[in-house]
Amino acid sequence: EDQVTQSPEALRLQEGESSSLNCSYTVSGLRGLFWYRQDPGKGPEFLFTLYSAGEEKEKERLKATLTKKESFLHITAPKPEDSATYLCAVHLDDKIIFGKGTRLHILP
Amino acid sequence: GAVVSQHPSRVICKSGTSVKIECRSLDFQATTMFWYRQFPKQSLMLMATSNEGSKATYEQGVEKDKFLINHASLTLSTLTVTSAHPEDSSFYICSARGLAGGLEQFFGPGTRLTVL
Repeated sequence: EDQVTQSPEALRLQEGESSSLNCSYTVSGLRGLFWYRQDPGKGPEFLFTLYSAGEEKEKERLKATLTKKESFLHITAPKPEDSATYLCAVHLDDKIIFGKGTRLHILP
Repeated sequence: GAVVSQHPSRVICKSGTSVKIECRSLDFQATTMFWYRQFPKQSLMLMATSNEGSKATYEQGVEKDKFLINHASLTLSTLTVTSAHPEDSSFYICSARGLAGGLEQFFGPGTRLTVL
């Protein structure tokens, strides 16, 4: 059965404290992996697409990496405005599966 | 670029009435649009996928007669919740995928539906 698991479910960090969010998957036919940010009461905002193992993408304080079994979203020196739920999703041949997300809270 | 709008952002209706939600891609043409619903602190649940000019494909367990989807143009899809009941109250989000061939979906801001 195709599965996407995100960990941790929730994470509280002090401002400036770097960390990583994990998205592990057991699927067949991966075409791409996406990261999104979602603020409360809003739709997800696209961050990155990763297509193959070894690929990395960066945007400001965020860097996403991909292996054959998992993806990491690294957050460097986060600020309170980085607080949000971060969703990963895997695109298969015939469907897309979302993880349940990691709720990130950055304390000032 | 890649902006998707939804209207209305919030709607409150009485049980038994129908509600229409619009999803528009503002600066690109969307070959495929998706409709999701999301419960509090839960992930997105795909309801249906629609391609312009053809019938929507519904996910297992989603009643197609209750959730009517129309994708009449490359920039507009609508979701109509027919004979709404309190259990239909949820956050509905649409997304769109463009013509450029990328797999990315771009999401609208969502519509909060409350059925009294």
